[in-house]
Amino acid sequence: SQQGEEDPQALSIQEGENATMNCSYKTSINNLQWYRQNSGRGLVHLILIRSNEREKHSGRLRVTLDTSKKSSSLLITASRAADTASYFCATDEKGSSNTGKLIFGQGTTLQVKP
Amino acid sequence: DTEVTQTPKHLVMGMTNKKSLKCEQHMGHRAMYWYKQKAKKPPELMFVYSYEKLSINESVPSRFSPECPNSSLLNLHLHALQPEDSALYLCASSSSRATDTQYFGPGTRLTVL
Repeated sequence: SQQGEEDPQALSIQEGENATMNCSYKTSINNLQWYRQNSGRGLVHLILIRSNEREKHSGRLRVTLDTSKKSSSLLITASRAADTASYFCATDEKGSSNTGKLIFGQGTTLQVKP
Repeated sequence: DTEVTQTPKHLVMGMTNKKSLKCEQHMGHRAMYWYKQKAKKPPELMFVYSYEKLSINESVPSRFSPECPNSSLLNLHLHALQPEDSALYLCASSSSRATDTQYFGPGTRLTVL
């Protein structure tokens, strides 16, 4: 079954605006990660938030985690054209940290117009 | 050095060919992964190697054969592929567990004719 579902599927904003993406998951987790992928390229790790954390910041990125709702959000502030990419959340399953399996959500495609 | 390299960048092969994809990392990571990604879809896990041993095979067809010659190298041998196997193949590594940050290579764009 799909662990991570993201919405919206696509988002188009103007440069300077904020972008918010959401991720929902089904099982208990150890941590949740966000990755960015530029078109046809490899994924780049953005941020990891542990199950006992509620909010984390990294530069213009703010991630929240609500384990009671099994959901997370990624906020990109003051967006730039270079932020145009697909964004994926990725989760494991609590108790499975040694099984080697990370499950990716369907992704949100963000377009930032200059 | 936080780089994962993959060769080749592009590969076109016929259904009767045998080819290999290569992945290399020099970060001292002990877990390495192969993912397959179709257009506009998330990466799908294929194989996981942990400490040079195959720990997960996600029911991948035998026409895909992984190999981990040492802790820095990961190969994916391809034989008798189908056109539907055309995709971006991504290699990744992490320090020891999948739940650690994974570092991805740029991928190999594979086209099967």
